[in-house]
Amino acid sequence: DQQVKQNSPSLSVQEGRISILNCDYTNSMFDYFLWYKKYPAEGPTFLISISSIKDKNEDGRFTVFLNKSAKHLSLHIVPSQPGDSAVYFCAAGGGGSNYKLTFGKGTLLTVNP
Amino acid sequence: DTEVTQTPKHLVMGMTNKKSLKCEQHMGHRAMYWYKQKAKKPPELMFVYSYEKLSINESVPSRFSPECPNSSLLNLHLHALQPEDSALYLCASSPRGGTGRYEQYFGPGTRLTVT
Repeated sequence: DQQVKQNSPSLSVQEGRISILNCDYTNSMFDYFLWYKKYPAEGPTFLISISSIKDKNEDGRFTVFLNKSAKHLSLHIVPSQPGDSAVYFCAAGGGGSNYKLTFGKGTLLTVNP
Repeated sequence: DTEVTQTPKHLVMGMTNKKSLKCEQHMGHRAMYWYKQKAKKPPELMFVYSYEKLSINESVPSRFSPECPNSSLLNLHLHALQPEDSALYLCASSPRGGTGRYEQYFGPGTRLTVT
């Protein structure tokens, strides 16, 4: 059973426009959510996180929104840049473990110049 | 500084070889992790060390043997691997469990090929 789902395997946007990546989860025990960016053959890079007590967290061009009632979070990137092209993983923490992160399958973002 | 280093960057080994992967962090983090990642898949947790003690073993075959010599170092000893073990092996660290924060910082990985 997949507890964290990223239903869009890929997304393509124009440079300068907004990129919106979506993530849904099923386990209501999750209380912390993270986004990672990954280039091929490199380790994931932590981007931004949000606690379940908040509904929005912003860091520069990156904003994460959390809708607890819908069990849905999204990552907004504004403006998108070609260097943002990568695979983005959504992850959730909590759910009874202090250490485990449950990852989604990732969304490949391509930002076209 | 959120750097986790891993060596070697690439490793090719035969099925009868013994090799080790190394990971180091100097952020004062007290939890360290080994993950395995196959292409187009999310990272898959293998082991967690907390305060230098093995906290989680995700039913990993015994041909993978983790070791945590001190709070900054993490090793993964490999022996008698199979070709299907070929993958990117990632090390990560986090401040500690129970803080209500779950950020893990990943190293660049070791690309392992088993021939």
